[in-house]
Amino acid sequence: DTAVSQTPKYLVTQMGNDKSIKCEQNLGHDTMYWYKQDSKKFLKIMFSYNNKELIINETVPNRFSPKSPDKAHLNLHINSLELGDSAVYFCASSLRAANTEAFFGQGTRLTVV
Amino acid sequence: KNEVEQSPQNLTAQEGEFITINCSYSVGISALHWLQQHPGGGIVSLFMLSSGKKKHGRLIATINIQEKHSSLHITASHPRDSAVYICAVSGNQFYFGTGTSLTVIP
Repeated sequence: DTAVSQTPKYLVTQMGNDKSIKCEQNLGHDTMYWYKQDSKKFLKIMFSYNNKELIINETVPNRFSPKSPDKAHLNLHINSLELGDSAVYFCASSLRAANTEAFFGQGTRLTVV
Repeated sequence: KNEVEQSPQNLTAQEGEFITINCSYSVGISALHWLQQHPGGGIVSLFMLSSGKKKHGRLIATINIQEKHSSLHITASHPRDSAVYICAVSGNQFYFGTGTSLTVIP
């Protein structure tokens, strides 16, 4: 069983569209994250979320929003997609906050055309 | 300047060599993470440490909190170790290094 799973693995879409990437973890973890990896392979955290607190990286445009229907899911919604949003997006989870080991999904390669 | 600096950026080694990747950070942290990203793209957490040293097979990670420095060592390197190794620190938020691309030649 995959611990952290993301869908879709690949997503190609036109500028201006709205899209979602889903993430599910079956580890019973309290905290989930979204990261963006740009073309230079540099990872940057976008959000961390547990059932009490959403922490947003201030550099993330408000077109990006995390949605958590329950503790095991943290989906990423992106409105009005732009060319610069093209990147690989990783979901991760950890038992508690940032000082516990994180488990990563396989990534979603988003291409905006 | 990045909060987390890694060196070297690129590293090529012969199979069997001892490899060291260094990570320095400038922020207060509660933990340091070493991640491995294979060419296929998936990311695996190798170590999370807040003090001392951890060993996992041929991999060893050390951290010196006073000097704000960590090293990842690979003993008896193998071509399957070829990957990008990323150092990350966590405190109030995560900061990532730019990664070290390792190629081990048979």
